[in-house]
Amino acid sequence: NAGVTQTPKFRILKIGQSMTLQCTQDMNHNYMYWYRQDPGMGLKLIYYSVGAGITDKGEVPNGYNVSRSTTEDFPLRLELAAPSQTSVYFCATLQGPNEKLFFGSGTQLSVL
Amino acid sequence: AQSVTQLDSQVPVFEEAPVELRCNYSSSVSVYLFWYVQYPNQGLQLLLKYLSGSTLVKGINGFEAEFNKSQTSFHLRKPSVHISDTAEYFCAVSLDGGTSYGKLTFGQGTILTVHP
Repeated sequence: NAGVTQTPKFRILKIGQSMTLQCTQDMNHNYMYWYRQDPGMGLKLIYYSVGAGITDKGEVPNGYNVSRSTTEDFPLRLELAAPSQTSVYFCATLQGPNEKLFFGSGTQLSVL
Repeated sequence: AQSVTQLDSQVPVFEEAPVELRCNYSSSVSVYLFWYVQYPNQGLQLLLKYLSGSTLVKGINGFEAEFNKSQTSFHLRKPSVHISDTAEYFCAVSLDGGTSYGKLTFGQGTILTVHP
């Protein structure tokens, strides 16, 4: 059982480039989340989804977009990469109310 | 809006010693409280959670936490630590109910380093 899989694990982008961070899960969880973790800071919520076709903004959505066409996949898109988006990105899923979050192993992104 | 403050950014401790990692939160409504652990190069894992009921919550790996509503605290404790407990620990809160599940506000993290 793979759980939550994130690809790629590492990526270096130039300013202005675009990319998609992939997140896929095989647990049939409805709730999915994207967090970013900056050094010395706690995780901050970027976007979340409560089911296929439904997404909403979190605390720090600017510069990002998401889609949720299937239960399994929740990609995060950066259209015009900026140095401020250098961070570690975590995807997470939740089975339902009062349950725990399952985190992927993260994508380390550097924008230079 | 809710916020979380972890009072210590780093806590060094010797093996088999007790440890307490401190967490305070602020919220105008009731919240759920969590402690997550992050081992190097891994995602976060849930240690324990407080939803309601007994204020003393026991989690995995011998950790426990006590919810203190009057002091708005949720400190994490372990009576005897091991080298393998070296990791970063995050306190987090979520609002009670609705689609707030999984929408966590995290503290800044506390790096626990256990020395032999």
